[in-house]
Amino acid sequence: KQEVTQIPAALSVPEGENLVLNCSFTDSAIYNLQWFRQDPGKGLTSLLLIQSSQREQTSGRLNASLDKSSGRSTLYIAASQPGDSATYLCAVRVGYNQGGKLIFGQGTELSVKP
Amino acid sequence: EAGVAQSPRYKIIEKRQSVAFWCNPISGHATLYWYQQILGQGPKLLIQFQNNGVVDDSQLPKDRFSAERLKGVDSTLKIQPAKLEDSAVYLCASSAPGTGGEKLFFGSGTQLSVL
Repeated sequence: KQEVTQIPAALSVPEGENLVLNCSFTDSAIYNLQWFRQDPGKGLTSLLLIQSSQREQTSGRLNASLDKSSGRSTLYIAASQPGDSATYLCAVRVGYNQGGKLIFGQGTELSVKP
Repeated sequence: EAGVAQSPRYKIIEKRQSVAFWCNPISGHATLYWYQQILGQGPKLLIQFQNNGVVDDSQLPKDRFSAERLKGVDSTLKIQPAKLEDSAVYLCASSAPGTGGEKLFFGSGTQLSVL
């Protein structure tokens, strides 16, 4: 059974710091991995999607890496800003395309202090 | 492009009452998902539709939860009767091939409180 764990559960940093969020999964047989952002009272917004054959993806100040063999992914946020404050969730897709499903971690709540 | 629409935003009911949630996916998205997110946890898939057929409902408590997607567009999720542990945010999402196939777009959710 696939399990996804995110550490830490909460993180508080001063503005301008670079930070890393961690995600681990127990079964390396994944189709892809996604990082999402969730603001209070809102739905989830997809940030980055890494296919199982890829090692990393970048979007602006965000960089996500994937190491399937060790069951780990990291989300790196450069030069953090107060607007980055949110909960970040990772999810792995097991199974193929429409027949697959996403299994989520419990999230890391990030607070960036001005 | 319009996003995934959900209603209502909030609902408060007493245990043993019934409740229904509505979702309108992004136009043209064949796949629709209902997720349950309990406070402090990640979303858990309840049911996945491909057009109007069910792909996965293995984690749907079928003794009290039901869902339908008529005509392969809108969907409703019903709970009857509700229990205290059903208090959660119910998220609807949709996806379509050509968006990376696997990229999901989420609605804002319905926050349910069962008293």
